[in-house]
Amino acid sequence: DTGVSQDPRHKITKRGQNVTFRCDPISEHNRLYWYRQTLGQGPEFLTYFQNEAQLEKSRLLSDRFSAERPKGSFSTLEIQRTEQGDSAMYLCASSPPWGTNTEAFFGQGTRLTVV
Amino acid sequence: AQSVAQPEDQVNVAEGNPLTVKCTYSVSGNPYLFWYVQYPNRGLQFLLKYITGDNLVKGSYGFEAEFNKSQTSFHLKKPSALVSDSALYFCAVRDGPHNAGNNRKLIWGLGTSLAVNP
Repeated sequence: DTGVSQDPRHKITKRGQNVTFRCDPISEHNRLYWYRQTLGQGPEFLTYFQNEAQLEKSRLLSDRFSAERPKGSFSTLEIQRTEQGDSAMYLCASSPPWGTNTEAFFGQGTRLTVV
Repeated sequence: AQSVAQPEDQVNVAEGNPLTVKCTYSVSGNPYLFWYVQYPNRGLQFLLKYITGDNLVKGSYGFEAEFNKSQTSFHLKKPSALVSDSALYFCAVRDGPHNAGNNRKLIWGLGTSLAVNP
């Protein structure tokens, strides 16, 4: 499968615990995005990488959230001291460097439930 | 600021009938518009996009969308609905200045749930 891959697909954690999600983009894609989607809502932008550089971070991303893309390939999103309000689907997307308006390709998401 | 509105939370249509899922947008400059579909517990799948050119855009699975600049709309259409088309549909617009070339994050509507009844 050469699409965007996210791991794990589901995560249940207790409030206060830390969690980390991984995203493997399509191999030739240098742009990588994280979005969050809650029930009944459209995706909300969290952060954007071009290669290994994190170029934009949403105000939605509190200090408890951190994302990395150390080698410009896979990315991780960590949430520290999780809260119930963090429960959501976390979506990763990637897009290629060529063209001016190519579409983004999404992974299947990681569903986080904080209990 | 860019924004997208999907005025209908849910659309119901009988199988075989034409369907329309509505989307209106607000942008500064030329709009770059997208439609994605989401099946239960799945990620978002790209359907089609409008960048420039013909106002009628054809996409995956027999879907098409009509760009209407005067009405600032980009409605998704299909001539004959299938039960398997039942899903959540999202309209999105690309954010930011169009000459930036860097961040192409999308601004999304709230989604429209399409139910096709057999």
